[in-house]
Amino acid sequence: RKEVEQDPGPFNVPEGATVAFNCTYSNSASQSFFWYRQDCRKEPKLLMSVYSSGNEDGRFTAQLNRASQYISLLIRDSKLSDSATYLCVAGYKLSFGAGTTVTVRA
Amino acid sequence: EAQVTQNPRYLITVTGKKLTVTCSQNMNHEYMSWYRQDPGLGLRQIYYSMNVEVTDKGDVPEGYKVSRKEKRNFPLILESPSPNQTSLYFCASRGRMNEKLFFGSGTQLSVL
Repeated sequence: RKEVEQDPGPFNVPEGATVAFNCTYSNSASQSFFWYRQDCRKEPKLLMSVYSSGNEDGRFTAQLNRASQYISLLIRDSKLSDSATYLCVAGYKLSFGAGTTVTVRA
Repeated sequence: EAQVTQNPRYLITVTGKKLTVTCSQNMNHEYMSWYRQDPGLGLRQIYYSMNVEVTDKGDVPEGYKVSRKEKRNFPLILESPSPNQTSLYFCASRGRMNEKLFFGSGTQLSVL
C-alpha cells in the first residue's frame, strides 16, 4: 500500500466554485503534513502546512483527521489561477501523493 | 538568497553512460532528498539523507546512488542509465523536522 494516496481528479470547476479533495496516509505515526502546489512540472511550492486543529489561509482550508488518517484541502471562491496540481505530503520521510489536478474554468 | 540549486536543468544522454546530477543548498539544512516525477505517479522518493554521511533508500532507489560527504551537497549518480530512468528529477532540502521542503528547479533527464 502506498504511504500517501490522493484522488487524482481531475476536478473541473467554474470560477467561484468551492472544491475539496482528500488525501489518505498509511502511517498512523505521521506528524508532518503539508499541501504543495505544482504548476506544469515546475518545482512544487508550499501551499500550506496542516495542523492538528485545522487551519485556514485566505480561501484555502486544510483539515487533518487522525482517526481516519486523511487530510483535506478546500478551496473557496476558486480563481482561474488556482488551476494546478495539488500534492499532499505526509510523514517524517515526506512521502508525496500522486497529486490532484484542479482546473478552474471561466 | 536561500535556495536549492540543481544542475543541469536538461540532460540528454545514452544508455550506459554514467552521469551525475548535482544538488546544492545554502541553508545549512540537514535533510536532503531526491525525487523523480513521472506522469500519473507524482513525486517518488529515490534517496534521502538525514545528515552528512547518513543516506537511506526511498521508494525507488534501484539504479541510483547518492553521497553526502558535505552538508550542502547531495549528488545523484546514475552509474549506467537506462531509458526507464527518463524522468523529471527534483532535489529538495529542509531544516527541522516539521519545516517545509525547499525544492530545486528540476532536471529533465532523457536517456536514449
